[in-house]
Amino acid sequence: NAGVTQTPKFRVLKTGQSMTLLCAQDMNHEYMYWYRQDPGMGLRLIHYSVGEGTTAKGEVPDGYNVSRLKKQNFLLGLESAAPSQTSVYFCASSSIGTGNYGYTFGSGTRLTVV
Amino acid sequence: AQSVTQPDIHITVSEGASLELRCNYSYGATPYLFWYVQSPGQGLQLLLKYFSGDTLVQGIKGFEAEFKRSQSSFNLRKPSVHWSDAAEYFCAVGQLPSSGSARQLTFGSGTQLTVLP
Repeated sequence: NAGVTQTPKFRVLKTGQSMTLLCAQDMNHEYMYWYRQDPGMGLRLIHYSVGEGTTAKGEVPDGYNVSRLKKQNFLLGLESAAPSQTSVYFCASSSIGTGNYGYTFGSGTRLTVV
Repeated sequence: AQSVTQPDIHITVSEGASLELRCNYSYGATPYLFWYVQSPGQGLQLLLKYFSGDTLVQGIKGFEAEFKRSQSSFNLRKPSVHWSDAAEYFCAVGQLPSSGSARQLTFGSGTQLTVLP
């Protein structure tokens, strides 16, 4: 009954460092998403995937890369972290069926870039 | 492009009082509408959703929302607020799903709810 699991939960990076955020879901969902949440701005879509091996850009993709080599995993990479990437990152997944349109969210990763 | 406006950044109510959180959306076709709740340090949990049919939808935790097409609104209501309802609430709008397309949701900026004892 894990749902969507994000690792790590917290991370502090220095400017210029790289890191990868991992999202894993065990619900066999086809679609996966990465959002960032900033105060007063709600959630903004970074990248998303409609299936294994496919990814697409969202609203704020610059500075991020993603990969979905396996259906259950969706990785978000920061190649050279910047202070503007300090945020809370949420992964979500959803299924094809319209009855299950809503997302299932992970609990988030709080990233601070100093 | 679709957009969501939550005009109230912060709302304070007393426990037992009624609650209404406002949400206005902009979308060219029939929208799919959602309300999510986020407790501190947690991810977002789905409260309720509207796809079609009855414009008054019931959700979890005693919440309901009414879709008003003429006003482009989807306001969230609860008759009697409990202290445990203190959280941040997000309204979201999505596109009609089609084959191969992801269910992209556009979120509002959120409304923080404080409940006074």
